[in-house]
Parts: sequence; structure tokens; C-alpha cells
Amino acid sequence: GAVVSQHPSWVICKSGTSVKIECRSLDFQATTMFWYRQFPKQSLMLMATSNEGSKATYEQGVEKDKFLINHASLTLSTLTVTSAHPEDSSFYICSATRLAGGPSPSSGANVLTFGAGSRLTVL
Amino acid sequence: QKEVEQDPGPLSVPEGAIVSLNCTYSNSAFQYFMWYRQYSRKGPELLMYTYSSGNKEDGRFTAQVDKSSKYISLFIRDSQPSDSATYLCAMRSGFGNEKLTFGTGTRLTIIP
Repeated sequence: GAVVSQHPSWVICKSGTSVKIECRSLDFQATTMFWYRQFPKQSLMLMATSNEGSKATYEQGVEKDKFLINHASLTLSTLTVTSAHPEDSSFYICSATRLAGGPSPSSGANVLTFGAGSRLTVL
Repeated sequence: QKEVEQDPGPLSVPEGAIVSLNCTYSNSAFQYFMWYRQYSRKGPELLMYTYSSGNKEDGRFTAQVDKSSKYISLFIRDSQPSDSATYLCAMRSGFGNEKLTFGTGTRLTIIP
């Protein structure tokens, strides 16, 4: 089945530094990847939609200059948290969809597959 | 009002019981409905995927969608301690790469 690899799984950094999180689709090509943020005991909050070869689309309230997203290939998207502060500490999760044009809608071919998440702690 | 409402729980049931998890939604354009299971400090994993109204069964799990009532359910039969997790409903309107709208998740604990 589809596998999405996310790295690192856990990172601690000092306030003011930048952290890069990678999201890779291992056995399929993903034209679109999504980045989510999740606080403890809360649901996933969509941060941005990352499209291969074009600029990411950010959700309202998400600072694009702080959360830099690059989707350079069909298998890799990166999220860079720039000048991180303690309030940026969170669980960041990426997800990917397969290329469009799969089998019938009811087959489930175009569902999201999530990475295992990256826990960021900013001291 | 949120687009998707889900009781956050927590919900605790004894092992072997039938578990019922539910979500309601307000957007009538939603056609694709999913249930994800998320263990602590892990990413969500897809459990069930349903298109439009109807039932879908997979082992101990049954997903139901009632579009007329804008109500979806996930039933877990013969619940096991390993089913203890947070269950998130999710839905979208299109078949393509449109973003999902998630419920807040229900924390479920199965008591041995």
C-alpha cells in the first residue's frame, strides 16, 4: 500500500533557529501534499496545500513566511519552520494523495495517506 | 457552527462491547467520507472509506453514511484493547485532491 515517510520524527531546537521537516511518498507519486498541525488532544488543522512545481496554498491565518513549503518533486515536500519560537512547538503531519485518474470513486484510490508525524519542541 | 461536529469523548467501553462513533456535518456537498484511527503521537491511518450514502463493512468495522440526515457512523464490533485510539471522521466533496474537513476526533479507550 501507499506509504508516506516523514523525517525527523522528533526534533528539539533552540528559539530563533529554523527546522526543516521532510515528507516523502515512497511508492507512489504525489502531485499534492498537505501539511497539518495538531495540538495535544485536538484535531488536525490544515496549514497548507503543497502542489508539485508551484507555490503552496496557505490556509487563512498561517504565515507563509514562517512556514516555508517546497514541493520540488512528485515524491518530496518540505516544511521549514523559520525562526522557531516556543509557540511553534507542535505535532506536524504531512499527507499525500495519489495522482488523479485512478479507478472508480468508490474504490478509495484518491484517499489521503498520512506520515507518522514530526514532533517539534522549541526551547 | 463547525462544518463537521464530532463528540470528543473520552469514551470508555469494556472489551468485547460494540462501539458507536458518530459525526454530523452541515455541508450537503460532501460525498466522500472517511474514518481515520490515530494512536498517540502517530499519524492518522485510514480505516474506512465510503462514497455517498450506504454501509460498508470491513472485518469488525462498519461505516454508515446517511446523507439525508448528514450523519455518519463507525461501528466497532468485539472491541479490543488495541482499538484504543482517537478516531477522526473526515469528508470532502470532490474526487480529486481537495482538502479534507476533519472532525475533532473521539478518544476511545477499551477497558480489558
